[in-house]
Amino acid sequence: QQQVKQSPQSLIVQKGGIPIINCAYENTAFDYFPWYQQFPGKGPALLIAIRPDVSEKKEGRFTISFNKSAKQFSLHIMDSQPGDSATYFCAASGGQNFVFGPGTRLSVLP
Amino acid sequence: KAGVTQTPRYLIKTRGQQVTLSCSPISGHRSVSWYQQTPGQGLQFLFEYFSETQRNKGNFPGRFSGRQFSNSRSEMNVSTLELGDSALYLCASSRTGAGGTEAFFGQGTRLTVV
Repeated sequence: QQQVKQSPQSLIVQKGGIPIINCAYENTAFDYFPWYQQFPGKGPALLIAIRPDVSEKKEGRFTISFNKSAKQFSLHIMDSQPGDSATYFCAASGGQNFVFGPGTRLSVLP
Repeated sequence: KAGVTQTPRYLIKTRGQQVTLSCSPISGHRSVSWYQQTPGQGLQFLFEYFSETQRNKGNFPGRFSGRQFSNSRSEMNVSTLELGDSALYLCASSRTGAGGTEAFFGQGTRLTVV
């Protein structure tokens, strides 16, 4: 119940495409859902986050869609660029629990 | 505002030795969490400290330990190093802890055990 499932494991898109990464959780006590972006050799950086009282949040080219009833949330990257190539982690937090998904390695081809 | 600082950035140790890693959180943050990241296992939670007390612990052997000081700086210690301990060790700080608050990561310490 503490796990966060993330898919796909890896993703390749062309420049300008819209990669979508999906996550699912079980614990209904989770109330904060961040996404992190990690480049090789760097620590994960907080990208965008959402709370369950909204169904969508957009920041620049990054959008989180949240489906509370399905206990799923996803990250969309609009007009993707080669510089977006990185590993993306979803996470879920609530109470004293902070759980990460296994990560998605995104490659954006020029 | 300074970010999360981890030292050292890189370490090479011999099997059987011990190592201490340091993490300085963002000013005002009282929670520090530690993670082990390996290519095959992703981000594995080690433990979390809040106000000098260990509040949560992951599923790691007792060779992995930590502590937090009154200024919120935290150290992680690994004793009797094994080859499998080679990994990127990350710490994350947040204002009040894991529950629903933003967590910010340091650059990590890359530990290589030979």
